[in-house]
Amino acid sequence: DVVMTQSPLSLPVTLGQPASISCRSSQSLVHSDGNTYLNWFQQRPGQSPRRLIYKVSNRDAGVPDRFSGSGSGTEFTLKISRVEAEDVGVYYCMQGTLWPYTFGQGTKLEIK
Amino acid sequence: EVQLVESGGGLVQPGGSLRLSCAASGFTFTNYSMKWVRQAPGKGLEWLSYISSSSRTIYYADSVKGRFTISRDNAKNSLYLQMNSLRAEDTAVYYCARDSLYWGQGTLVTVSS
Repeated sequence: DVVMTQSPLSLPVTLGQPASISCRSSQSLVHSDGNTYLNWFQQRPGQSPRRLIYKVSNRDAGVPDRFSGSGSGTEFTLKISRVEAEDVGVYYCMQGTLWPYTFGQGTKLEIK
Repeated sequence: EVQLVESGGGLVQPGGSLRLSCAASGFTFTNYSMKWVRQAPGKGLEWLSYISSSSRTIYYADSVKGRFTISRDNAKNSLYLQMNSLRAEDTAVYYCARDSLYWGQGTLVTVSS
C-alpha cells in the first residue's frame, strides 16, 4: 500500500500567520492517465471530512483562496497564507492514484 | 444538492453482523462509483471499499476483505455495506462518499460485549 507521511503532526499557529503542512508518499502518485490524485481534506471537530484541494493544486468550490496546494511526484504541500480561527481542525492528505486509497496520519492545527 | 445519508449503525457484539445503508440524492447515482470510509474514535481515516457504478469493479482494504461486502441498488439510489464477523477494532464512524468530494454525516458502529 502507498504510505502517506505528514509533517508536522501538530501545528500551533498564531492568527494571521501562515501555515504549511508537508505530505510525502512512499511511491509516485502519477497515475497512468497522467493525473496526480493527491487531495487535501480538512476535518473540523465533530464534522465529516471536507475536501479542500484535489489533484495537487485545484481548490474545491467555496474553499477560501488562502488555501493552496503544490507539489509533484512524492512530495506535496498544503499552505494556508493567513490562518483564521475557523481553520482549526485536522488536515489530511490522501492519495487516490492506487487502491487502496490511503490517508496521511493527519495534522492537527490549533491556534497558539 | 448532493446528499448522502448513512444509517444502520449501532451496538453489536463481537462476531456479530450489521448492514449499513447510504441513501443518495441530488445526483444521478448510476453514473458514479461509491466508497465506504471509516474513522475509529480519535483516529485517522481509512478507505474500506470501492464499488464502480455498474458494480462490476469492487475493491476492499485488507483489514475488511472477506468480512465486509459492498453492494449497491441503482434503482433505489442506495449503497450498502454488509459487515460480518465484527471485531472490537471495527468500532468507528462509517462514512459513505462519492468521489472524495461528497461525504455523508457518518453512522457510528460500536462492537462491544
